[in-house]
Amino acid sequence: NAGVTQTPKFQVLKTGQSMTLQCAQDMNHEYMSWYRQDPGMGLRLIHYSVGAGITDQGEVPNGYNVSRSTTEDFPLRLLSAAPSQTSVYFCASSYSLPASQKGSYNSPLHFGNGTRLTVT
Amino acid sequence: GESVGLHLPTLSVQEGDNSIINCAYSNSASDYFIWYKQESGKGPQFIIDIRSNMDKRQGQRVTVLLNKTVKHLSLQIAATQPGDSAVYFCAENSFPTDSWGKFQFGAGTQVVVTP
Repeated sequence: NAGVTQTPKFQVLKTGQSMTLQCAQDMNHEYMSWYRQDPGMGLRLIHYSVGAGITDQGEVPNGYNVSRSTTEDFPLRLLSAAPSQTSVYFCASSYSLPASQKGSYNSPLHFGNGTRLTVT
Repeated sequence: GESVGLHLPTLSVQEGDNSIINCAYSNSASDYFIWYKQESGKGPQFIIDIRSNMDKRQGQRVTVLLNKTVKHLSLQIAATQPGDSAVYFCAENSFPTDSWGKFQFGAGTQVVVTP
């Protein structure tokens, strides 16, 4: 298994440009999410999905869009890049459980190796 | 311990010594905790987890201790090796208050292993 794969590894954009960060997982995980990591701060949740066709906003969703057409893929779109979006972006996934079991168990997030984005 | 700001706290450890990394959390309802290791240029890597119904859990060379009374989590690494040099951070979740998979992350502690 490759786990969680993110592309590209590095990207430089000019202000106003758009792009899509790709994320794919081969673990059949239902849950997928996008985080950004800024110096000296903890990971912050951008968007997440609990299954194909279902997405929701996290802590810092402005300026980003997501979609989940398949279980495997969860792309993150920057609509009009801004310097404040310069960051390292991580995609993560985890398996889910039937509702009856979720109160008694949890599962860790598995992360990709990130995309380092610079917006000038 | 954890901090907010540009500079992470640093723990310098001599090779072969034991390391203790601390994490304070604020949500008394948090019931699931994870320690991650992040090497330069890589994504966070799962080390060990613990649920709130436990005080201690051991893995290979690592032990996590949970003190719910003071909302404190620690990671102990035995016989620290050069390959242990990385940023370590904790994550917490409070299901079902938090949605499944939604975690709060600490900023991390930089561990530097010296020969």
